Amino acid sequence: EADIYQTPRYLVIGTGKKITLECSQTMGHDKMYWYQQDPGMELHLIHYSYGVNSTEKGDLSSESTVSRIRTEHFPLTLESARPSHTSQYLCASRRFGNEQFFGPGTRLTVL
Amino acid sequence: AQSVTQPDIHITVSEGASLELRCNYSYGATPYLFWYVQSPGQGLQLLLKYFSGDTLVQGIKGFEAEFKRSQSSFNLRKPSVHWSDAAEYFCAVAANAGGTSYGKLTFGQGTILTVHP
Repeated sequence: EADIYQTPRYLVIGTGKKITLECSQTMGHDKMYWYQQDPGMELHLIHYSYGVNSTEKGDLSSESTVSRIRTEHFPLTLESARPSHTSQYLCASRRFGNEQFFGPGTRLTVL
Repeated sequence: AQSVTQPDIHITVSEGASLELRCNYSYGATPYLFWYVQSPGQGLQLLLKYFSGDTLVQGIKGFEAEFKRSQSSFNLRKPSVHWSDAAEYFCAVAANAGGTSYGKLTFGQGTILTVHP
């Protein structure tokens, strides 16, 4: 069973606030990913990391930033949240092969 | 670049009926293919995957999928649907070549399955 955690699960916040979405995995996976998913839509890759101190932007442009200081931890930060950032954010990880394991997601609402 | 099309946005079936969810992909070579399921408010759970070999793959919860190279398809099937199968289903493709694209998933738009009692 994959162990990947995201906190908070739900977040409602006002415009202009700085937020950090947490993602942690206990599987020792070196590759981690952040996806953005709007209701009823497909997942879009916004960031990925192939290891510590390695981060890349994904296919969908995002104003968020990520860091990878520890293997198990891949937080996503929005410096100034806006209503357009309202979405669900899913974190995933993988080691060998192509199978990605997903966390439960964070549903963000910016008022 | 790879892409995935799920032609059916919403499918409704009766409990006990058979199910087929369609998935078509675009990729220059044989891709890695996946089906994930997402229940409301949850993350994605892997149902099954195809990397190579037997084109009919078995997954969890009684699901299976068949890779058809000639049709660029990877349709998901289940012979008898249960009410608990109601969820959203995503087909995904990953590049199997090296380079920066390796391991990155491209998802279809998803198919919402409703199950009537």
